[in-house]
Amino acid sequence: EVQLVESGGGLVEPGGSLRISCAASGFNFINAWMSWVRQAPGKGLEWVGRIKSKTDGETTDYPAFVKGRFTVSRDDSRNTLYLQINSLKTEDTAVYYCSSLNWGSFEYWGQGTLVTVSS
Amino acid sequence: DVVLTQSPLSLPVTLGQPASISCKSSQSLVYSDGNTYLNWFQQRPGHSPRRLIYKVSNRDSGVPDRFSGSGSGTDFTLKISRVEAEDVGVYYCMQGTHWYTFGQGTKLEIK
Repeated sequence: EVQLVESGGGLVEPGGSLRISCAASGFNFINAWMSWVRQAPGKGLEWVGRIKSKTDGETTDYPAFVKGRFTVSRDDSRNTLYLQINSLKTEDTAVYYCSSLNWGSFEYWGQGTLVTVSS
Repeated sequence: DVVLTQSPLSLPVTLGQPASISCKSSQSLVYSDGNTYLNWFQQRPGHSPRRLIYKVSNRDSGVPDRFSGSGSGTDFTLKISRVEAEDVGVYYCMQGTHWYTFGQGTKLEIK
């Protein structure tokens, strides 16, 4: 059974940093392209970053609005995906989901971890 | 950026009746490899999104066959042949041809 379990969310002050994690199991994580998608409270879904497999160069891609504040990384030895968010803003408040990429879209999803940015 | 526009945004449906959601793209979703990366997701209240359909019309494993996807180019449709109570939630179209963007979501409720 595929499982993606996010952790590390919480309350952070504006301007702070946070790293959230996603532990994967039940599929070939090493060869998977992985992604993060967020959802602000009561709002829609928004892609925030992607990382390819090591075989495909482990390169990362982000939407323009991220502007260098987000960094996606992976540790294949731990089957774990990470998202580092710096210079947090109140508008970054959201549930952050990790997801595996397949056929140009998000196949499996975790349960999400809530990041709240507030003073 | 590719903009996906869904309609309607609210969809009240009687149990057992069909439902249809439209998704229109601001540009063609045909990729250079010939595939069209248009997908549909369901998000039930309090749950994570779940992919239903990938590449326009391919149902994911475990998705009931009352769900079907169709379309081409810039116009796409998700149809539910007979709505059941468990179908309540928000439906999103999403494109993976030009990076990744989602539609605004369509909230399906039982009338």
